[in-house]
Amino acid sequence: EAGVVQSPRYKIIEKKQPVAFWCNPISGHNTLYWYLQNLGQGPELLIRYENEEAVDDSQLPKDRFSAERLKGVDSTLKIQPAELGDSAVYLCASSLMTSGSSYNEQFFGPGTRLTVL
Amino acid sequence: AQTVTQSQPEMSVQEAETVTLSCTYDTSESNYYLFWYKQPPSRQMILVIRQEAYKQQNATENRFSVNFQKAAKSFSLKISDSQLGDTAMYFCAFLRGSNYKLTFGKGTLLTVNP
Repeated sequence: EAGVVQSPRYKIIEKKQPVAFWCNPISGHNTLYWYLQNLGQGPELLIRYENEEAVDDSQLPKDRFSAERLKGVDSTLKIQPAELGDSAVYLCASSLMTSGSSYNEQFFGPGTRLTVL
Repeated sequence: AQTVTQSQPEMSVQEAETVTLSCTYDTSESNYYLFWYKQPPSRQMILVIRQEAYKQQNATENRFSVNFQKAAKSFSLKISDSQLGDTAMYFCAFLRGSNYKLTFGKGTLLTVNP
């Protein structure tokens, strides 16, 4: 079974430029997560989707960050314009959330390392 | 709010030896899960082991085992017979029951030396 796929693996841009990251979750997984991982830190949740709906985007800086999950499958995270402080790893994860279950394992992709110059 | 603390930024161990990584957490919840994730240089987070708070028995997965001390809010990971492939960042994480938001510690960089 294929895992969570992310692209690109690396991205270098100049500040004020736009950038986009793509994530393809595990087939059949209805829940998708975007995490931000700063250097020397653990991941922090940015946004969570249940199917097409963003059910928790409280940690997403909405002035410059946006995300979408069309058709409830692939997702794109965008930053416009990028700032120096956005340099980090952006991780995508997916899980199959079923009613009545108290725990749904999250499977992570390899992440995109963004460098803003 | 939940917090997860990993007090060892870096550790090293000789191949075939045993190492223990520490983790403490703070919560007022009674229903929760604790995890250890491994993140090798490839950056992919891999679940190593999971512990349900309601279970008294410590979880074990092959060479990996935990020491879960609920009253002390401690959750350490023991790696036996360390292998070179165990070299990675290890993150302790907390999940509140019926929730989805993982709270991670800052990680411990483990290096296994030949």
